[in-house]
Amino acid sequence: VTLLEQNPRWRLVPRGQAVNLRCILKNSQYPWMSWYQQDLQKQLQWLFTLRSPGDKEVKSLPGADYLATRVTDTELRLQVANMSQGRTLYCTCRAWTGGNTGQLYFGEGSKLTVL
Amino acid sequence: QQKVQQSPESLTVSEGAMASLNCTFSDGTSNNFRWYRQHSAKGLEVLVSIFSDGEKEEGRFTAHLNRANLHVSLHIREPQPSDSAVYLCAVSDTGYQNFYFGKGTSLTVIP
Repeated sequence: VTLLEQNPRWRLVPRGQAVNLRCILKNSQYPWMSWYQQDLQKQLQWLFTLRSPGDKEVKSLPGADYLATRVTDTELRLQVANMSQGRTLYCTCRAWTGGNTGQLYFGEGSKLTVL
Repeated sequence: QQKVQQSPESLTVSEGAMASLNCTFSDGTSNNFRWYRQHSAKGLEVLVSIFSDGEKEEGRFTAHLNRANLHVSLHIREPQPSDSAVYLCAVSDTGYQNFYFGKGTSLTVIP
């Protein structure tokens, strides 16, 4: 059973449009949920870690703006906006039990390509 | 913020030969280090987690950590063509919440 389900797995994004990603956690024993971004050069970069329902954070990086929301104990969302034209980006969800030796899992990622 | 660098950028080994990958980091106060691999279009698969100096073995994968030298390595014993993937080194921040990744080593195992 996959611990983390991300959707959509792939989206073509018209220039200027925002896209909403969801990450669903199948086991609530992993309270810490995070978003990472990964570019075509495979460099993974941490974006956010949100612990509690209602938590929100925004971040602006070269090439895209991000808004993350912890909706429930088992759902994390990411809105990606203002992506650079022609860019391809992967957004990956992570879940973690907490503690230094805690279990940590990554989702399979969502691929976004801007037209 | 941790700076994580991996070497080599790419590595080709023959099936059955040992593969060795290197990772250096900038802040030796972390005690949470993980090696992942990623096949094309797939998620991250954790290989080894190591939390103290020394050696940690998980099947054919062995990690060596030396925080004084700011270095962690991964050795793959008897690599197989199915081990061909990008291998990523991850080092946590001191709060353990967030990981900083290297750019990866692309490993190709030839039969």
